[in-house]
Amino acid sequence: DQQVKQNSPSLSVQEGRISILNCDYTNSMFDYFLWYKKYPAEGPTFLISISSIKDKNEDGRFTVFLNKSAKHLSLHIVPSQPGDSAVYFCAASYSGNTPLVFGKGTRLSVIA
Amino acid sequence: SQTIHQWPATLVQPVGSPLSLECTVEGTSNPNLYWYRQAAGRGLQLLFYSVGIGQISSEVPQNLSASRPQDRQFILSSKKLLLSDSGFYLCAWKGGTGDVYTEAFFGQGTRLTVV
Repeated sequence: DQQVKQNSPSLSVQEGRISILNCDYTNSMFDYFLWYKKYPAEGPTFLISISSIKDKNEDGRFTVFLNKSAKHLSLHIVPSQPGDSAVYFCAASYSGNTPLVFGKGTRLSVIA
Repeated sequence: SQTIHQWPATLVQPVGSPLSLECTVEGTSNPNLYWYRQAAGRGLQLLFYSVGIGQISSEVPQNLSASRPQDRQFILSSKKLLLSDSGFYLCAWKGGTGDVYTEAFFGQGTRLTVV
């Protein structure tokens, strides 16, 4: 039973345009959501997060939107750069010492 | 500042051989510790997590085990490796009690190939 779903395995975007990565979750107890970026043969690095009391969080070129009623979140990257090419993982957790639950990832390719 | 060390970076082991992967965290105390695996074409699967010394929770029944002999040390083991144990193993830590809404920090990972 996959609680966090990233239904697009890959995404290709032109440099300078917007990249939109999507994530859906099924567990309504999740109240904290994160995005990680991963290069091959490296550990994931944290990008941005959002708690369920907000619907938007912005950090430079990265913005995460949360739609709790739809159980959906998205990561917007504007403008996209070639260095953004990586696998992006969506993750979720709920209050306490619960582990992060990850989606399967979306491979983003930014074409120069 | 906090750092996480995971070794080795790559490992090639024959089927049936034992396994020991070690992870240590510096600069924090009483962290929550995690072992994840990324298999080919799959996401990050949680294998084990620990909220304290000697406390291990297993998420997936399998050929692996974990131990936490010290506060900042987390070990992943197997007595006899299977081909299906191949994958990219990641250790991670997160702040313990009181740091509820924080991210987890990952090590560099170990690429395990069972042949």
